[in-house]
Amino acid sequence: DIQMTQSPSTLSASVGDRVTITCRASQSINSWLAWYQHKPGRAPNLLIYKASSLESGVPSRFSGSESGTEFTLTITSLQPDDSATYYCQHYNNYPWTFGQGTKVEI
Amino acid sequence: QLQLQESGPGLMKPSETLSLTCAVFGASISSSDYWAWIRQPPGMGLEWIATMYSSGRTYYSPSLRSRVTISADTSRNQFSLKLTSVTAADTALYYCAKHEYGVGLRYWGPGTLVTVSS
Repeated sequence: DIQMTQSPSTLSASVGDRVTITCRASQSINSWLAWYQHKPGRAPNLLIYKASSLESGVPSRFSGSESGTEFTLTITSLQPDDSATYYCQHYNNYPWTFGQGTKVEI
Repeated sequence: QLQLQESGPGLMKPSETLSLTCAVFGASISSSDYWAWIRQPPGMGLEWIATMYSSGRTYYSPSLRSRVTISADTSRNQFSLKLTSVTAADTALYYCAKHEYGVGLRYWGPGTLVTVSS
């Protein structure tokens, strides 16, 4: 099974900051990686798919990148509404797995 | 606009069988897509449970495979999850979702809370 190691588990930042969250896959996942934003009491929201494609309707301050088996979600100019937990998830093969999550506090 | 809505028992006792249903609106579950269940225990992260392709092919989490079944009811345009022999560890918010090939879990239901307690 492919393991997804996500870091940090929590990060505190200020409005306007640039933040990065990292996920490392235990083996190649051929860019089949998604990032989700999850707020309490709401369903997770797809932000990025195939490692770097921005989902329709998602603000352009969100971006994804990859280098080998390391994947990064970047939020430029952090906004108050970005306070949430962020998860990566691979869908290269089964079983799908999520990262442990990163709670972003503003 | 595609919408999904979970329904479930809310409160259960240990050893019972959990049955969840996801009603799909705005798309046919017979279309060429994947339908999935994901859960989130209290204070923990997201856990993938099972996925079903429209053809009927199914995929399960190795840790739950012996207790879980995902199936479709095309006449009602809904799909279901059954989890046998539940324990307190199965207490979680359960989500149904639609996975689109190459994209990921694009559409999610609002979730339904299942509590297992004696």
